Amino acid sequence: DQQVKQNSPSLSVQEGRISILNCDYTNSMFDYFLWYKKYPAEGPTFLISISSIKDKNEDGRFTVFLNKSAKHLSLHIVPSQPGDSAVYFCAASASRGGSEKLVFGKGTKLTVNP
Amino acid sequence: DSGVTQTPKHLITATGQRVTLRCSPRSGDLSVYWYQQSLDQGLQFLIQYYNGEERAKGNILERFSAQQFPDLHSELNLSSLELGDSALYFCASSVTGVSYEQYFGPGTRLTVT
Repeated sequence: DQQVKQNSPSLSVQEGRISILNCDYTNSMFDYFLWYKKYPAEGPTFLISISSIKDKNEDGRFTVFLNKSAKHLSLHIVPSQPGDSAVYFCAASASRGGSEKLVFGKGTKLTVNP
Repeated sequence: DSGVTQTPKHLITATGQRVTLRCSPRSGDLSVYWYQQSLDQGLQFLIQYYNGEERAKGNILERFSAQQFPDLHSELNLSSLELGDSALYFCASSVTGVSYEQYFGPGTRLTVT
């Protein structure tokens, strides 16, 4: 049973345009959400996070939006750059779960075309 | 560079064998996590250690075990290997109790033939 779902395996956008990556979760105990970026042959790199007490967090070109009622979050990248081409993983954690373990989605491969 | 190191980078072994994967966390991080990424799968949490003690277990097989040593490095032991154990194994570390951000190593690619 997948608790974190990324339903789009891939996404292709033009350089300079907005990239929107989506993530849905089913476990209502999740209260902290993170996005990771992964290049081939490297480990995932932390990108941005959001606590469930917020609905938006922004860091430069990256913004994460959280809709708790819909159990949905999205990552916006504006403007997209070719160097953003990577696999993006959504992850979630439950602070009352007794562990800081992360539950990951399967990832979305983003390709930004020059 | 995340500051988390993993060795070896690649490992090829035969079914039935035993291997040990090693991880050194970032300086100051007390928590170490192990994740498995199989083909077309997201990262699956295996186990967490905090300051030498097991803190949480995920989908870790009984053939797998881990430990964290006093110097905080961790080892993941995989025994009686099967073809299906072929995967990328990632180690991550964090400052538990401060934030949820985990920092990942480059991974060990295990191939069981």
